[in-house]
Amino acid sequence: AQSVTQPDIHITVSEGASLELRCNYSYGATPYLFWYVQSPGQGLQLLLKYFSGDTLVQGIKGFEAEFKRSQSSFNLRKPSVHWSDAAEYFCAVGAGGATNKLIFGTGTLLAVQP
Amino acid sequence: DAGITQSPRHKVTETGTPVTLRCHQTENHRYMYWYRQDPGHGLRLIHYSYGVKDTDKGEVSDGYSVSRSKTEDFLLTLESATSSQTSVYFCAISETSGGSTDTQYFGPGTRLTVL
Repeated sequence: AQSVTQPDIHITVSEGASLELRCNYSYGATPYLFWYVQSPGQGLQLLLKYFSGDTLVQGIKGFEAEFKRSQSSFNLRKPSVHWSDAAEYFCAVGAGGATNKLIFGTGTLLAVQP
Repeated sequence: DAGITQSPRHKVTETGTPVTLRCHQTENHRYMYWYRQDPGHGLRLIHYSYGVKDTDKGEVSDGYSVSRSKTEDFLLTLESATSSQTSVYFCAISETSGGSTDTQYFGPGTRLTVL
């Protein structure tokens, strides 16, 4: 069965520091992978996605993620965090196909210290 | 932003009462989904639709039903609300079921409290 693990429930970084949020997935074939961000009281906004091709994908707001098949990982990175990046981040894996269902991780809450 | 609205945005109800949440889209997308979000669980799929009158169950469908009589509207009904259904409910839409357009876009959510 498909599953997504986000090992870090809560992370605190200083403004201007680099960030890496971890995501590991379990899926038999080549997955569709997504990162979403949720600001407090808001819906989910797509940051980036991986379907095929280049394993390093660029997203909005200066984020990038790298697909590593050998490690079943899709970690999210940002070189310099801004206070406005404080939010909850969700990794998701999709099977595509006839239903396009997504399986979400439990999320990582990011706090940014001034 | 994808044209997705949810109504109501907030609702408080009592145990045993029926509740219907509405998701409306203006994108003419074929696929629509209902998720619930709970702390420590992320988002879990309740039901989804792959066309008008075509729906199927997700992983947490017990106690919920859905209907889709028009492309733009997807209704989620709690037949008899229970306190365990207190949650934030999100609707999502997707244009296709494969390829690079296979991305779900989310509505703003409905916060439901069952007393």
